Amino acid sequence: DIQMTQSPSTLSASVGDRVTITCRASEDISNWLAWYQQKPGKAPNLLIYKASSLDSGVPSRISASGSGTEFALTISSLQPDDFATYYCQHYKNYPLTFGGGTKVEIK
Amino acid sequence: EGQLVESGGGSVQPGGSLRLSCAASGFTFSSFWMHWVRQAPGKGLEWVSRINSDGTSTNYADSVRGRFTISRDNAKNTLYLQMNSLRAEDTAVYYCARDPTLWYFDLWGRGNLVTVSS
Repeated sequence: DIQMTQSPSTLSASVGDRVTITCRASEDISNWLAWYQQKPGKAPNLLIYKASSLDSGVPSRISASGSGTEFALTISSLQPDDFATYYCQHYKNYPLTFGGGTKVEIK
Repeated sequence: EGQLVESGGGSVQPGGSLRLSCAASGFTFSSFWMHWVRQAPGKGLEWVSRINSDGTSTNYADSVRGRFTISRDNAKNTLYLQMNSLRAEDTAVYYCARDPTLWYFDLWGRGNLVTVSS
């Protein structure tokens, strides 16, 4: 199984900060990677697919990059709505696996 | 856009069974692969199972293979997860999720809590 490792597990930041979350795959997954945002008590919401493609309606302050085994999600100017937990997920093969999550909290 | 609504969760004793349902609306259900994803309390996301658009092909996580069965009824726009031989470690919120044919999830249900406890 492909293991997905996110860092950091928790990130403290302020409104307006630029933040970056990283995701590492245990083997080459090309660009078969998605990112999700989840708020407490809610279902996850798709942000990014194919490593860097923004899903419809996702604000342009969110971007993502990477290929192979190293990936990153960046929020250029953190807004109050962005405080949440973020997950990466590979979809190279089965089983599909997620990273452990990164909680972005208010500093 | 579409909507997914899960039902059928609740509390059950270890070794028991439950069947989850996921009612789809607002999109052509029969055109999409579908998945179940779960999240134990306070934990991360775990993919559980997937089914193709016509129900002829399935995959399972090792943790549930042989105990859970995914199925669908395209005439009723409904996805199912039959869960047998439930264990305490199956306690989680179960989400159904739509797959735009590339094995990620572009639409999620609100989730349904399953608690396995004596």
